[in-house]
Amino acid sequence: GNSVTQMEGPVTLSEEAFLTINCTYTATGYPSLFWYVQYPGEGLQLLLKATKADDKGSNKGFEATYRKETTSFHLEKGSVQVSDSAVYFCALFQTGANNLFFGTGTRLTVIP
Amino acid sequence: DTGVSQDPRHKITKRGQNVTFRCDPISEHNRLYWYRQTLGQGPEFLTYFQNEAQLEKSRLLSDRFSAERPKGSFSTLEIQRTEQGDSAMYLCASSFQGEDEQFFGPGTRLTVL
Repeated sequence: GNSVTQMEGPVTLSEEAFLTINCTYTATGYPSLFWYVQYPGEGLQLLLKATKADDKGSNKGFEATYRKETTSFHLEKGSVQVSDSAVYFCALFQTGANNLFFGTGTRLTVIP
Repeated sequence: DTGVSQDPRHKITKRGQNVTFRCDPISEHNRLYWYRQTLGQGPEFLTYFQNEAQLEKSRLLSDRFSAERPKGSFSTLEIQRTEQGDSAMYLCASSFQGEDEQFFGPGTRLTVL
């Protein structure tokens, strides 16, 4: 079946620190992979995506590379800001399954 | 604003009451999805529509839940005889058929007392 395992939080970092949030997946075939972000009181926003092996998704300084050999899609940012404080969800979309499968989310807090 | 909208944003109800939520998708999108998110968890799929047809329902969608999309535009999700375990954020998303990117609304937070 399809599933996403995500690094548990919460994660607390100082401003300008390096961020890594781990995500691994289980899927049949070749899913598309996503990172969504949820700011307090808001819905999910797409942060970045990758649709095939070795693709790198990037947005707002965040990056993630689709690694088929390790079934991973880890999220990274070189220098976090206070405004990055949010909950981050890794997700996959399996063609034929018609819906997204989400990890449990990782809460990030960035302190000045 | 042409994003996905949901109404109401918050709903507090007593156990045993019925509640109905509405979702207005992005107008050009023909697929509409409902998810449920409980505290500390990721969203879980409930059901989806392609135009007005409900094509898939999760086993999470008990017989107390019903969803409609009568004209292929907005959708409603009704929960009958609410239970405390129904307390959650209900998220709606929409997409184009054949595309994997889904756009989410702000959600309706349900609290059952």
